[in-house]
Amino acid sequence: SQQGEEDPQALSIQEGENATMNCSYKTSINNLQWYRQNSGRGLVHLILIRSNEREKHSGRLRVTLDTSKKSSSLLITASRAADTASYFCATDPGNTPLVFGKGTRLSVIA
Amino acid sequence: NAGVMQNPRHLVRRRGQEARLRCSPMKGHSHVYWYRQLPEEGLKFMVYLQKENIIDESGMPKERFSAEFPKEGPSILRIQQVVRGDSAAYFCASSSQSGGAGEQYFGPGTRLTVT
Repeated sequence: SQQGEEDPQALSIQEGENATMNCSYKTSINNLQWYRQNSGRGLVHLILIRSNEREKHSGRLRVTLDTSKKSSSLLITASRAADTASYFCATDPGNTPLVFGKGTRLSVIA
Repeated sequence: NAGVMQNPRHLVRRRGQEARLRCSPMKGHSHVYWYRQLPEEGLKFMVYLQKENIIDESGMPKERFSAEFPKEGPSILRIQQVVRGDSAAYFCASSSQSGGAGEQYFGPGTRLTVT
């Protein structure tokens, strides 16, 4: 399966702390994307990192990609209660649509 | 610029009835994707369509499920003779690029409950 797998499945932190989520995948990819889903809502695109990129920033988000290890990490710095959501990685193998993982449920406690 | 629209937001059907879910992509997007999500699970790809064409339906069950994206109007996901196992949230996404080359914009989803 090419499915990305997020780790951990659930994460609970205090407001102000950093949250790190990891994603592993199995085949070569063109890009990897991270999405957020608030409870009962659709997914919102956060960031896309291409296979030739190693790190990308967007506000309080930092994404890394290690194609040799087939893994990516999403770091949220100075977390807020509003960051509470499920976070999914999705991989683009190039000849099929995006493949989503099962997600990490993040709870940020005020 | 309206986002991806889905309707209805909630749909209740009895076993054996038909469910019809609609999705209007973002303006200018010609690529539409349907996903199914079970509680506490990730998204499972079902089908990828462009106008009047099914590009990839590898994730769609062979029976009872069908999808279309006509030249005019929204994309439709149809489930015939629904069963309890069809209860899930169904999300539609659209993009301006094919496959997974670019970001996808998601609708709010349709929550189907089969009683």
